[in-house]
Amino acid sequence: LAKTTQPISMDSYEGQEVNITCSHNNIATNDYITWYQQFPSQGPRFIIQGYKTKVTNEVASLFIPADRKSSTLSLPRVSLSDTAVYYCLVGALYNNNDMRFGAGTRLTVKP
Amino acid sequence: DSGVTQTPKHLITATGQRVTLRCSPRSGDLSVYWYQQSLDQGLQFLIQYYNGEERAKGNILERFSAQQFPDLHSELNLSSLELGDSALYFCASSVRDNQPQHFGDGTRLSIL
Repeated sequence: LAKTTQPISMDSYEGQEVNITCSHNNIATNDYITWYQQFPSQGPRFIIQGYKTKVTNEVASLFIPADRKSSTLSLPRVSLSDTAVYYCLVGALYNNNDMRFGAGTRLTVKP
Repeated sequence: DSGVTQTPKHLITATGQRVTLRCSPRSGDLSVYWYQQSLDQGLQFLIQYYNGEERAKGNILERFSAQQFPDLHSELNLSSLELGDSALYFCASSVRDNQPQHFGDGTRLSIL
């Protein structure tokens, strides 16, 4: 079971770039890395998914080093509305028994 | 709008009672997942169905059960309710296993 470790909380200011790192030392060969965002009393929202190197979409980038034992979610120029909990998940496609949400990282963006 | 519909949005009941939560997945999604989130807690995976069959089971109590019907909607049944069952219950759906999950807005269950 691939276990993930994230910081419990982070603070930032509007306009800054935020990087949230997730450790997953026992990631398996078939595991993908997925990040979700959750606002209070709402369901999590998919942000980005990757396997190796770098993935970028319209809202975030995901950096994965060659050993894949960690990954970094990068949020460019955050705003107050990015205040949320961010979850890192690691799991293999077609093997959902391995995919679990951890405690997440509570990001607070200040003006 | 994720395309996942959960009903009801709120449910208030008493200890010992039984309730049914309903989820309609996004059009085309075959997998349905159920999660429980207590106050200030993370998401606890309960159970997953894929095209009508149970696919994976997490920390689901024996008092809880679920099923996915031929039209792919799913129901989560909670019985002999206890105060500790008060939580937000989320349903999510995905095209297949471990594809990105799309979550509904949840059902807030309050046990009095």
